[in-house]
Amino acid sequence: GQQVMQIPQYQHVQEGEDFTTYCNSSTTLSNIQWYKQRPGGHPVFLIQLVKSGEVKKQKRLTFQFGEAKKNSSLHITATQTTDVGTYFCAGASGGSYIPTFGRGTSLIVHP
Amino acid sequence: GAVVSQHPSRVICKSGTSVKIECRSLDFQATTMFWYRQFPKKSLMLMATSNEGSKATYEQGVEKDKFLINHASLTLSTLTVTSAHPEDSSFYICSARSSSVDTGELFFGEGSRLTVL
Repeated sequence: GQQVMQIPQYQHVQEGEDFTTYCNSSTTLSNIQWYKQRPGGHPVFLIQLVKSGEVKKQKRLTFQFGEAKKNSSLHITATQTTDVGTYFCAGASGGSYIPTFGRGTSLIVHP
Repeated sequence: GAVVSQHPSRVICKSGTSVKIECRSLDFQATTMFWYRQFPKKSLMLMATSNEGSKATYEQGVEKDKFLINHASLTLSTLTVTSAHPEDSSFYICSARSSSVDTGELFFGEGSRLTVL
């Protein structure tokens, strides 16, 4: 079945440093979504990418979808303590509209 | 944005009892809802897809007789953990997608932390 791998599992950064999490799929995706889960909270939708090579920005967050639609990344510029949480990618492929979640990357920002 | 309410947020029960968790979409209709289990510092493990008016579709390895799912209306799905045991203790989260968009974002409930003594 479809597998979505996400790295790294954890990332410690000093406030102000950049952060990137990477997502790779074993199959070509029809779309990829990104979610953020704050400690003790539930996942909240951030964005969805659909097109090959697509790049979207939300303030300090930049999301990319690979040309082959098998990988994606989330980059945060100049992290802040409010960025703390676990970031999940979720990809759907083929005729399935059920997204498969990556393992998540937990971001810890040190002030 | 859309709101999904999950209840109860925390439940403690004795081994052998059954626990029901409700997931409601408050301001939209959801033909499909999903149930996940999340272990500490782990990812979301999809347990089953709940389809309104029909049987749930369970993922491989999930016991359908153990985790009963009912999706009686377009705004409500329930997960019943039957004859709960300590190994069933976990964080259970539901999500819903608006009926009008098959590929749209998922709206998650707040989650239910189950502790089985």
